[in-house]
Amino acid sequence: EDKVVQSPLSLVVHEGDTVTLNCSYEVTNFRSLLWYKQEKKAPTFLFMLTSSGIEKKSGRLSSILDKKELFSILNITATQTGDSAIYLCAAGQGAQKLVFGQGTRLTINP
Amino acid sequence: DGGITQSPKYLFRKEGQNVTLSCEQNLNHDAMYWYRQDPGQGLRLIYYSQIVNDFQKGDIAEGYSVSREKKESFPLTVTSAQKNPTAFYLCASSIRTALRSEHEQYFGPGTRLTVT
Repeated sequence: EDKVVQSPLSLVVHEGDTVTLNCSYEVTNFRSLLWYKQEKKAPTFLFMLTSSGIEKKSGRLSSILDKKELFSILNITATQTGDSAIYLCAAGQGAQKLVFGQGTRLTINP
Repeated sequence: DGGITQSPKYLFRKEGQNVTLSCEQNLNHDAMYWYRQDPGQGLRLIYYSQIVNDFQKGDIAEGYSVSREKKESFPLTVTSAQKNPTAFYLCASSIRTALRSEHEQYFGPGTRLTVT
């Protein structure tokens, strides 16, 4: 059975801390790994990774994929209260399908 | 402004009634998707459509139906056969280009359906 597992499920930190969110996957016909941020309603796209070991960065966020060990991490440095959200990891399967993890609920306290 | 719209935001229905959720996009995307999100769970795929007049079942299609008569529109009907219809429903779309994979899906704001 295809599955994507995220950890931790919930995380509470103080503003300024650095956090690492984890995503492991076991998906047939794997093609890509995606990260989304969901604040209230629509998930918004953060990153898509297809190659192992190549870090993608956007401001304070960065992500990397390990296709040998079947996992990805999302790092957020110098966290701000605006980073509070649910972070979703999804594995791209075949031509179009995405298999989502349960999400990590991140809370940043001032 | 290009985007995906879903209506209504909130929907209340009595058990036993069919209900149709709207999803429209003006991004000229070929593919469209319907997901369901329950508390503490990720998104689960209900149906998807790669082109007009064609659609495929996702992982949890039972009790749902869709149509794709126009590129811009992909309505979802939640039928009375769906045992636990109360959930947050998200529509998404994607397009394959030289720079973008079809896996890069863009989401609408969602419809929260409550059935009592």
